[in-house]
Amino acid sequence: NAGVTQTPKFQVLKTGQSMTLQCAQDMNHEYMSWYRQDPGMGLRLIHYSVGAGITDQGEVPNGYNVSRSTTEDFPLRLLSAAPSQTSVYFCASSYSNRGSTDTQYFGPGTRLTVL
Amino acid sequence: ILNVEQSPQSLHVQEGDSTNFTCSFPSSNFYALHWYRWETAKSPEALFVMTLNGDEKKKGRISATLNTKEGYSYLYIKGSQPEDSATYLCAFIPNTDKLIFGTGTRLQVFP
Repeated sequence: NAGVTQTPKFQVLKTGQSMTLQCAQDMNHEYMSWYRQDPGMGLRLIHYSVGAGITDQGEVPNGYNVSRSTTEDFPLRLLSAAPSQTSVYFCASSYSNRGSTDTQYFGPGTRLTVL
Repeated sequence: ILNVEQSPQSLHVQEGDSTNFTCSFPSSNFYALHWYRWETAKSPEALFVMTLNGDEKKKGRISATLNTKEGYSYLYIKGSQPEDSATYLCAFIPNTDKLIFGTGTRLQVFP
């Protein structure tokens, strides 16, 4: 199993550009989520999904969209990038559709810089 | 907004020392607590999932306890080794599907 994969590893955007961060898992996990990690802030939940076709907002959803058309994939879209979105983004998944009951498996992260 | 506090923020110990750190969370609406170990330039890796008041979990030299009534969990490392150097994160889960992470305790173990 590849586990949780994320692409790209690094990305530089200009303000106003759009892009999609990709996340995929091959463990047949129901629960998937996106976090951002900023210095001194810990991991903050952006969006999550408890199964294909179901998504919900986390703590910091503004400026981000998600969809879950398949169990395997959970892309994160930045519609109009802003410097405040400069961060390291982590995707995570777990087996149960209740994220609370299972350990999370994290991807390697995407480091995004918005100029 | 639910706050999860971890203390201390950072800790420097000598090889062989035992150490512990704290995760504090709201004592109401508790569902579960997770501990993760996060090495620099890697992804967080799960240590423990704790759900019951009084839970004690152990993995090698690392153990954790849980007190849901007073809203805290302790992580202990016995006989710290340089390879234990990492950031240790806790995540509090209230009665929802959302994990709320603390800011972590950064441990550095000197040989």
